[in-house]
Amino acid sequence: GAGVSQSPSNKVTEKGKDVELRCDPISGHTALYWYRQSLGQGLEFLIYFQGNSAPDKSGLPSDRFSAERTGGSVSTLTIQRTQQEDSAVYLCASSPGRALNTGELFFGEGSRLTVL
Amino acid sequence: GQSLEQPSEVTAVEGAIVQINCTYQTSGFYGLSWYQQHDGGAPTFLSYNALDGLEETGRFSSFLSRSDSYGYLLLQELQMKDSASYFCAVRLPFGQNFVFGPGTRLSVLP
Repeated sequence: GAGVSQSPSNKVTEKGKDVELRCDPISGHTALYWYRQSLGQGLEFLIYFQGNSAPDKSGLPSDRFSAERTGGSVSTLTIQRTQQEDSAVYLCASSPGRALNTGELFFGEGSRLTVL
Repeated sequence: GQSLEQPSEVTAVEGAIVQINCTYQTSGFYGLSWYQQHDGGAPTFLSYNALDGLEETGRFSSFLSRSDSYGYLLLQELQMKDSASYFCAVRLPFGQNFVFGPGTRLSVLP
C-alpha cells in the first residue's frame, strides 16, 4: 500500500496479557516513530528508529514496553503484562530520513488497545 | 523539559477565519509543524515553518516567531470539514524526537 499500515486496528486484552502491535512504514522511509494517544489527549512519544537501530527510546514508559525493527522496514511494539493504564491508541509514523527538514511525519491509522 | 501549549477548544462559524496559537518553552528546535486529526483518524501533516515568518498553503497559513516563542495556524474560509483537532509539533535539536502539543479541538458551526 501507499501509506503506513498498522495492525491490529483494534485489540482488546485482559490485564496481565502480552500484546504485539505491528507497523509497516512507507517503502523507503528510514525513520520510524511510535506514539501513544490517550482519549482526547495529545501524542506521547515512545521510541524512534533510524534503520534498525533505536537512537531514542526515551519515551518508553516502563520496561514492560519494547520495540524492534527488522530489515529497516516492519516494526513491532510489544507490551508485556498489560495494565489498564496502557489503554490508548498506538500510532506509528514514518518519514524519509533527511526529509526531517520538512517537518513531515506520515502516520498510520493506529492500533486501539483496550485492557480490561 | 520541552513543552508546547495550545488552547483546548476553539469554535467558529462556516466561512470565518480562525487562528490557533502554539506557545512553547524549549531551548531550541529545528522547526514548527502543524497536523490535523479527525476523530478516529490519523494525524495528517498541514504545514511546516523552518524559519520565522508566514507560510501559506491554500486556505491554511502558518506563522513562526522564534523571538516570541510563538506560532499559529490560520484557517480561512472555514468549512464544516475543518472540524477536527489541530496539533503543533517541534523537532528537538539533540535527538530525532518530535514533541507534540496537547491539541486544539476546532468546531465549525453552520
